[in-house]
Amino acid sequence: DSGVTQTPKHLITATGQRVTLRCSPRSGDLSVYWYQQSLDQGLQFLIQYYNGEERAKGNILERFSAQQFPDLHSELNLSSLELGDSALYFCASSGGISFTWGDEQFFGPGTRLTVL
Amino acid sequence: AQKITQTQPGMFVQEKEAVTLDCTYDTSDQSYGLFWYKQPSSGEMIFLIYQGSYDEQNATEGRYSLNFQKARKSANLVISASQLGDSAMYFCAMREGLNTDKLIFGTGTRLQVFP
Repeated sequence: DSGVTQTPKHLITATGQRVTLRCSPRSGDLSVYWYQQSLDQGLQFLIQYYNGEERAKGNILERFSAQQFPDLHSELNLSSLELGDSALYFCASSGGISFTWGDEQFFGPGTRLTVL
Repeated sequence: AQKITQTQPGMFVQEKEAVTLDCTYDTSDQSYGLFWYKQPSSGEMIFLIYQGSYDEQNATEGRYSLNFQKARKSANLVISASQLGDSAMYFCAMREGLNTDKLIFGTGTRLQVFP
């Protein structure tokens, strides 16, 4: 158990819909990352938040948005869903008080999104 | 150009044998970090080992070691004494430069350990 929790575990929805994925980082971690794992794109970085502020952006579609709340949990919002958005969405966290260059990112169990 | 290349889509190894999973990377930064993660069929991503670009010694963590050849830009994972539970996907990843925390992942290698 990495200490990172994600809900829900599975999500099945229809095209055009909007969903919210939730992540709670490990206790003390300030950074939250979102990654998308799909068969055709592999594992791709979407976005990072650090202590409530957006820190880095990757290949995140405009239909997707994220935020990190004062209690450090994060939500990834996916809207106008398309079939191609079906993927495993991971949240990871790192960067506790003693953050160092080599700190690994601890991954949550993922949310499997299926768009029908 | 791909930043992280894993050329072996699949590998087989017999239990108790050692296996090397290849990873090459491309960066112009002097400071970077290399990570290996394991993804079993259950789907979670498990951190295995880390190597910093300035680390002079190869990283080791239990049965895992990283064969770091900086000039060749390779960071191969060596698993010694393979166990059936090592069967999984293995991903090499890079954190590039000092100003980013994001990880760039390779396409992965599926390792199958047989008795």
